[in-house]
Amino acid sequence: EAQVTQNPRYLITVTGKKLTVTCSQNMNHEYMSWYRQDPGLGLRQIYYSMNVEVTDKGDVPEGYKVSRKEKRNFPLILESPSPNQTSLYFCASSYSLRSSYNEQFFGPGTRLTVL
Amino acid sequence: AQKVTQAQTEISVVEKEDVTLDCVYETRDTTYYLFWYKQPPSGELVFLIRRNSFDEQNEISGRYSWNFQKSTSSFNFTITASQVVDSAVYFCALSSSGSARQLTFGSGTQLTVLP
Repeated sequence: EAQVTQNPRYLITVTGKKLTVTCSQNMNHEYMSWYRQDPGLGLRQIYYSMNVEVTDKGDVPEGYKVSRKEKRNFPLILESPSPNQTSLYFCASSYSLRSSYNEQFFGPGTRLTVL
Repeated sequence: AQKVTQAQTEISVVEKEDVTLDCVYETRDTTYYLFWYKQPPSGELVFLIRRNSFDEQNEISGRYSWNFQKSTSSFNFTITASQVVDSAVYFCALSSSGSARQLTFGSGTQLTVLP
């Protein structure tokens, strides 16, 4: 089944404790992206990757890191989480964004709480 | 820069009523794509429709219909004979050729359908 998976789905952590949220897609998509969803703000892009070893900042990259060593995986790293990073996070992928026609497939979301 | 505005934060209707969700967008590009996503209480994002800027034909899919008007930069979504299962947050989103990396979301409309 074609899908985007994220782990963990739920995470409660404390300020400053490094964490990684994994994202994996099985559709051989070139493009992957991370979004955060906050009430009243919709989804905002954190980072995106056009292909392996190619990443770039979205609208709200501060406090996050990403890497794209393999085509299928795009982990989101919070080196020193803070309470303002408490949010619902979505990973997405699409075949290519050379054409913005391509629909983005979203993972199930990761609900992160930073105490 | 591109922007999507969903002015209706919350809408509440009684089952079987028709409801229209508004979406107004801004972009300088002549080629762009508009999307609607549904987010049910379970949290996942469900793709509903994609429309490109060159196709102003309205679309109907069962009880769902979409009205795209370039003259007013709007892409409104109507649910006919609403059902309780339609209760969800609905997001309108925009992807422009000039910023193909990015899917810009509106802030979402929470639709509640009462029995």
